[in-house]
Amino acid sequence: GENVEQHPSTLSVQEGDSAVIKCTYSDSASNYFPWYKQELGKGPQLIIDIRSNVGEKKDQRIAVTLNKTAKHFSLHITETQPEDSAVYFCAASYGNNRLAFGKGNQVVVIP
Amino acid sequence: DGGITQSPKYLFRKEGQNVTLSCEQNLNHDAMYWYRQDPGQGLRLIYYSQIVNDFQKGDIAEGYSVSREKKESFPLTVTSAQKNPTAFYLCASRPGQMNTEAFFGQGTRLTVV
Repeated sequence: GENVEQHPSTLSVQEGDSAVIKCTYSDSASNYFPWYKQELGKGPQLIIDIRSNVGEKKDQRIAVTLNKTAKHFSLHITETQPEDSAVYFCAASYGNNRLAFGKGNQVVVIP
Repeated sequence: DGGITQSPKYLFRKEGQNVTLSCEQNLNHDAMYWYRQDPGQGLRLIYYSQIVNDFQKGDIAEGYSVSREKKESFPLTVTSAQKNPTAFYLCASRPGQMNTEAFFGQGTRLTVV
């Protein structure tokens, strides 16, 4: 199966600074990489995703980069705001339409 | 509004009892999934179903059972054989096509008392 590793486990940033979360995956056949944001006591929500035919995708303050050769992808949040504080999960597709998730990253934006 | 609904939000169970968690979606999605979330463990796949009347075990299926009699519904039963059932349970659905977004419910927090 697929193994997704996510680093760092906790990240604190000053409001207005950038945050970067990195993930690695093991299955070279994976070709879909979504990022989810989870607020306390709620279900995860998709914030951005990328497919293997592109190397970068941007949506306002959020961007994702993908390096298929190295099997890693990263989430970039610019101009962080307090409402960006949450747990972020990366995931990679594998097998029979499944997603393997990383262990999550707690992002704390300090006002 | 289309979405995926889990109920109840909080559930308490006595040791030795089976309990069923509900998951309903009106997104017309073919695939449905159950995940378990523990602190620091991320999301681990319990069972998934790609189509009505068919389902497969995920990575941690022991002590759990599911059914998929209707496209809209994918209930999860936590049996007394599950040794450590206290956790946050998440249901998700996706269209049948590959590489599409998974939509999650709001979760059910199960506590064994």
